[in-house]
Amino acid sequence: SQTIHQWPATLVQPVGSPLSLECTVEGTSNPNLYWYRQAAGRGLQLLFYSVGIGQISSEVPQNLSASRPQDRQFILSSKKLLLSDSGFYLCAWSSGTADTQYFGPGTRLTVL
Amino acid sequence: TQLLEQSPQFLSIQEGENLTVYCNSSSVFSSLQWYRQEPGEGPVLLVTVVTGGEVKKLKRLTFQFGDARKDSSLHITAAQPGDTGLYLCAGPSGNQFYFGTGTSLTVIP
Repeated sequence: SQTIHQWPATLVQPVGSPLSLECTVEGTSNPNLYWYRQAAGRGLQLLFYSVGIGQISSEVPQNLSASRPQDRQFILSSKKLLLSDSGFYLCAWSSGTADTQYFGPGTRLTVL
Repeated sequence: TQLLEQSPQFLSIQEGENLTVYCNSSSVFSSLQWYRQEPGEGPVLLVTVVTGGEVKKLKRLTFQFGDARKDSSLHITAAQPGDTGLYLCAGPSGNQFYFGTGTSLTVIP
């Protein structure tokens, strides 16, 4: 069966510090991978998605970047965090031919 | 942009009551998914509906996909405190998924 991991689960960082959030998927090959940000109790904002190694599409201009160095690894980064980067970050995967996404447990990021 | 609007945005009911949550769009989707999310956790898939007019049941939850595949509803019978959470609908478009605005449900014991 497929599983998706995210870490860390929680993170508190000062403004101006760098960020690296990691997501890995097990049990599938060549998944589509996604990064979302969620405000408290609200819907999901798509940040980036990737259909293959090195292929990144960005949906919203922002202070963040994403990379996919391996087939089942997706990384969300920032060189200098802003207060507005605080939020709940979710990674998800889907099969290239399927119409369903599966989510990781999320990372709660607080920028102080 | 394919928007999915959910209503109501917030819902607080007593245990044992019935409720319906709606997900509406002006666009046609090949399928729609429903997720439930608890605080601090990732959304968990409840169901995928694919065929216009399709009805799926998951214990006390009934999901329906509109005939025109532009809308969906989630009906909960005899709500339980364990049903509390954020309910999200979503639809695929190419390699992306569009998510609804969410319905926050609280079931009071």
